[in-house]
Amino acid sequence: AQSVTQLDSHVSVSEGTPVLLRCNYSSSYSPSLFWYVQHPNKGLQLLLKYTSAATLVKGINGFEAEFKKSETSFHLTKPSAHMSDAAEYFCVIYGNNRLAFGKGNQVVVIP
Amino acid sequence: NAGVTQTPKFQVLKTGQSMTLQCAQDMNHEYMSWYRQDPGMGLRLIHYSVGAGITDQGEVPNGYNVSRSTTEDFPLRLLSAAPSQTSVYFCASRRDSMNTEAFFGQGTRLTVV
Repeated sequence: AQSVTQLDSHVSVSEGTPVLLRCNYSSSYSPSLFWYVQHPNKGLQLLLKYTSAATLVKGINGFEAEFKKSETSFHLTKPSAHMSDAAEYFCVIYGNNRLAFGKGNQVVVIP
Repeated sequence: NAGVTQTPKFQVLKTGQSMTLQCAQDMNHEYMSWYRQDPGMGLRLIHYSVGAGITDQGEVPNGYNVSRSTTEDFPLRLLSAAPSQTSVYFCASRRDSMNTEAFFGQGTRLTVV
């Protein structure tokens, strides 16, 4: 079965410093991977997706992620954190007709 | 476009009561699904549907029932509410069952006392 692992359930970053959220996947074949963001009391919004095209994927709000097959990773990065980036982030893998979610990273941005 | 609409936004139930969470989408998507979100657990799939008249179980289906009589609507029924069903529920739709973007509703926060 497909699965993703997100470590560091809580991440604190200072405003203006880089953001790095780690995601490792398990899949028996080439996966489709997504990052979603959830702001407080809101639904989930797609940040970006990888579907076997370019390995470096650019998303909304300055986020990007790099697919690395050798490391089975799909880490999310942003060069400079903004206060509005405070939210929960989910790494998601598609497989077997469904989406499987990681447990999420709660990001706090310190002014 | 309204996208995916869930009602109600908040609900408090007593143990043993039943209720239906409503979900409607106006994008003519084939694939719809229900998730529950609990702290530190991510989102877990309850039930899903790949088209009108077709439903299947996800990871955590016990205590929930679904039907899909139209493309637009995918209600989730709690048959006899239990405190363990206190959670935030999200409905999502996708154009089809392949690896396309999922669109989420705003969620229903359910408390069972």
